[in-house]
Amino acid sequence: GENVEQHPSTLSVQEGDSAVIKCTYSDSASNYFPWYKQELGKRPQLIIDIRSNVGEKKDQRIAVTLNKTAKHFSLHITETQPEDSAVYFCAGGGGNMLTFGGGTRLMVKP
Amino acid sequence: DAGITQSPRHKVTETGTPVTLRCHQTENHRYMYWYRQDPGHGLRLIHYSYGVKDTDKGEVSDGYSVSRSKTEDFLLTLESATSSQTSVYFCAISDLDADIQYFGAGTRLSVL
Repeated sequence: GENVEQHPSTLSVQEGDSAVIKCTYSDSASNYFPWYKQELGKRPQLIIDIRSNVGEKKDQRIAVTLNKTAKHFSLHITETQPEDSAVYFCAGGGGNMLTFGGGTRLMVKP
Repeated sequence: DAGITQSPRHKVTETGTPVTLRCHQTENHRYMYWYRQDPGHGLRLIHYSYGVKDTDKGEVSDGYSVSRSKTEDFLLTLESATSSQTSVYFCAISDLDADIQYFGAGTRLSVL
């Protein structure tokens, strides 16, 4: 089955800096890669996703890139703000099945 | 929030007792999932359902069973709870061929 690795497990940045979280996957058949944000005590919420026929997708301050050859994808957050502080999860899969990475705790220091 | 309700939201129980968690959806989505969330492990799939009475095991299914007798309800049962099953349990739903999964608010279970 699919195996998704996520790095780093914790990330601390200054407000206004950029943050990058990276994930690798093992199953070349995976074609769907979402990112979820989970605030403390809340449910995971989808923030952006990408499919394997696209190399990059942007939505305001967040972007995701996908390298199918290397089997890795990344989340980029620019101009970080304190409200970006949360745990971020990547996932890989398709066909209604997802495997999640272990999560990254992002702390944005004011 | 995608019409998903989990109950109870919090539960404390003793080792060896049976526990049932309920997930209810109002979206008429075909797929429903149960995950557990533990520090450092992300979200791990316990069981999932792809239709009424159609269920299958996930990555960490030992000690858990599920049932889906109608589209809107997916039940997770711990037949004899153990301390290792202390966790936060999330239900999720997705529509056929849609891939996107929407999560419920979670159930925090403590097994003493």
